[in-house]
Amino acid sequence: QVQLVESGGGVVQPGRSLRLSCAASGFTFSSYAMHWVRQAPGKGLEWVAIISYDVNYKFYADSVKGRFTVSRDNSKNTVYLQMNSLRADDTAVYYCAKEMNSNYFDYWGQGTLVTVSS
Amino acid sequence: IVMTQSPATLSVSPGERATLSCRASQSVSSNLAWYQQKPGQAPSLLIYGASTRATGIPARFSGSGSGTDFTLTISSLQSEDFAVYYCQQYNNWPLTFGGGTKVEIK
Repeated sequence: QVQLVESGGGVVQPGRSLRLSCAASGFTFSSYAMHWVRQAPGKGLEWVAIISYDVNYKFYADSVKGRFTVSRDNSKNTVYLQMNSLRADDTAVYYCAKEMNSNYFDYWGQGTLVTVSS
Repeated sequence: IVMTQSPATLSVSPGERATLSCRASQSVSSNLAWYQQKPGQAPSLLIYGASTRATGIPARFSGSGSGTDFTLTISSLQSEDFAVYYCQQYNNWPLTFGGGTKVEIK
């Protein structure tokens, strides 16, 4: 069965960096685009980034552009989110999500909490 | 594209019908998905293409609409359906979600 397992969250000071990982299993990882979606505490969902199946295409929300970088290693079935220059408003649960067909998501990970605080 | 969901909270008795609305600030054609999120859990896909149920989703869930106005209907609420529901457009970048509708027990 499809599994997505995020890791790497934690408490970090403003301005510092953090790298999230999402390990995938149960499907042909190299055939699907992957996304990151975040949810601030008690708030709704915010799309963050996409990386295409072949790494050729990446796109970001304006709120993270220039600070976050998405990457993937198809040999390890893992997608990453490098987060630099973190701000308090980046505090959220970060989910990785598998794209089903056209930029909607049929599987989600359990999420990893990132707290940006001094 | 701004997605606006209404109402923010819907109080419904078990067995009753629930109707949730999602409106887009411009046309998204039929490129709309609905998700259900229960407390402490990740969202799960209910509907895509505005009206196609995802695998394993019961028939009591139905989606309709196109363009800018969409509806998610739960025909007879079961206890496990009390949750927050989000719509998402995937017609334009960036992908955007509505603010959610919480369906609570009346």
